[in-house]
Amino acid sequence: RKEVEQDPGPFNVPEGATVAFNCTYSNSASQSFFWYRQDCRKEPKLLMSVYSSGNEDGRFTAQLNRASQYISLLIRDSKLSDSATYLCVVNMIGYKLSFGAGTTVTVRA
Amino acid sequence: DAMVIQNPRYQVTQFGKPVTLSCSQTLNHNVMYWYQQKSSQAPKLLFHYYDKDFNNEADTPDNFQSRRPNTSFCFLDIRSPGLGDAAMYLCATSRVRTGGFYEQYFGPGTRLTVT
Repeated sequence: RKEVEQDPGPFNVPEGATVAFNCTYSNSASQSFFWYRQDCRKEPKLLMSVYSSGNEDGRFTAQLNRASQYISLLIRDSKLSDSATYLCVVNMIGYKLSFGAGTTVTVRA
Repeated sequence: DAMVIQNPRYQVTQFGKPVTLSCSQTLNHNVMYWYQQKSSQAPKLLFHYYDKDFNNEADTPDNFQSRRPNTSFCFLDIRSPGLGDAAMYLCATSRVRTGGFYEQYFGPGTRLTVT
């Protein structure tokens, strides 16, 4: 079983739509969780950390479900600029992170 | 202001010809990482330094070596590049702190082509 698993998508949505996707992680002892955004042929960039109580940053909402070992990302009012690959990232051991393979989101006009 | 800098951004090398990629950071973070990322795949951790302590991943080929002469700089040496080593190489840093989130900050990457 992979440490972090994501639905690869692609999620193809119109502008203004809401899109949501999950990732699951295997290690119940994981302590910290993140969503990174990666544009084509660019480096991953931290989108948001995911806190136990869930958190929101503008149009982005992240949730953590420890019991079921998944985290989610919801994007409201999608913009063309939200088109990217979203990487689910989990702290597994110490200060090393494990990355999912990414969920591709394409927002169309 | 650039925080994690990688040079060169693009590197072309010949099969078997050694190559060195460099990374520098202005964040004063104590941990530096090297990842290899191939198309449509997750970044794969090759090794990392916690200060001067080197930590190799078990499945990192011996062909890959690293040096960290000081806090700011880290190098990735590929001794004999093969065609399968063509990839994006990402450097990242993080600051270890008690009870904190170990978020990592990435450089722009070096895209390696092997001919």
